[in-house]
Amino acid sequence: QVQLQESGPGLVKPSETLSLTCTVSGYSISSGYYWGWIRQTPGKGLEWIGSIYHSGSTYHNPSLKSRVTISVDTSKNQFSLKLSSVTAADTAVYYCARDRFRSSGYYFSSDYWGQGTLVTVSS
Amino acid sequence: DIQMTQSPSSLSASVGDRVTITCRASQSISNYLNWYQQKPGKAPKLLIYTASSLQSGVPSRFSGSGSGTDFTLTISSLQPEDFATYYCQQSYSSPCSFGQGTKLEI
Repeated sequence: QVQLQESGPGLVKPSETLSLTCTVSGYSISSGYYWGWIRQTPGKGLEWIGSIYHSGSTYHNPSLKSRVTISVDTSKNQFSLKLSSVTAADTAVYYCARDRFRSSGYYFSSDYWGQGTLVTVSS
Repeated sequence: DIQMTQSPSSLSASVGDRVTITCRASQSISNYLNWYQQKPGKAPKLLIYTASSLQSGVPSRFSGSGSGTDFTLTISSLQPEDFATYYCQQSYSSPCSFGQGTKLEI
């Protein structure tokens, strides 16, 4: 059974960098699929942030691309999200997920999700 | 970006009812439409992909249809565990985008 678990600080100060890690169990990241991040806010709803392949190939949401870094550590079966220069608008529940992409390089769906972690941006 | 609009925003129904939720895309997305179910405090769960394909393990009372810009999710006979919020998601173009959700209440 594929399981994902987010971890990281629940409180980040404005202008700082949000850092989260997703640990995958029950499946080797190196075996395939993309691995991504999605966030949810009461105001904007669900928003796809970006995804990464075990090779390091990434796709990002253009609205966040300049602030987002997604990386992968296959030795630990983990992938990570960094979001820089955060503001209160980045307060959200952050989910990691296993993503499927089409051969054309477009996102297809997210079939396994972590439980989510609330990150609050506040001084 | 493609905008996804769901209707209704909320819906009251009873166990055993047949329920339909609608999702409309701001432009044609072929059949690249997913449906997710989310319960309070939980992550979304993939129910249907490519408009009508049932994700493994999802009960057959869930079905999806549509193509182009108009899509529906139907629950044939509501069960107590189906009361949740449902989201559509387009995966036709990047960035993928979600509808605002339909809350299904007892």
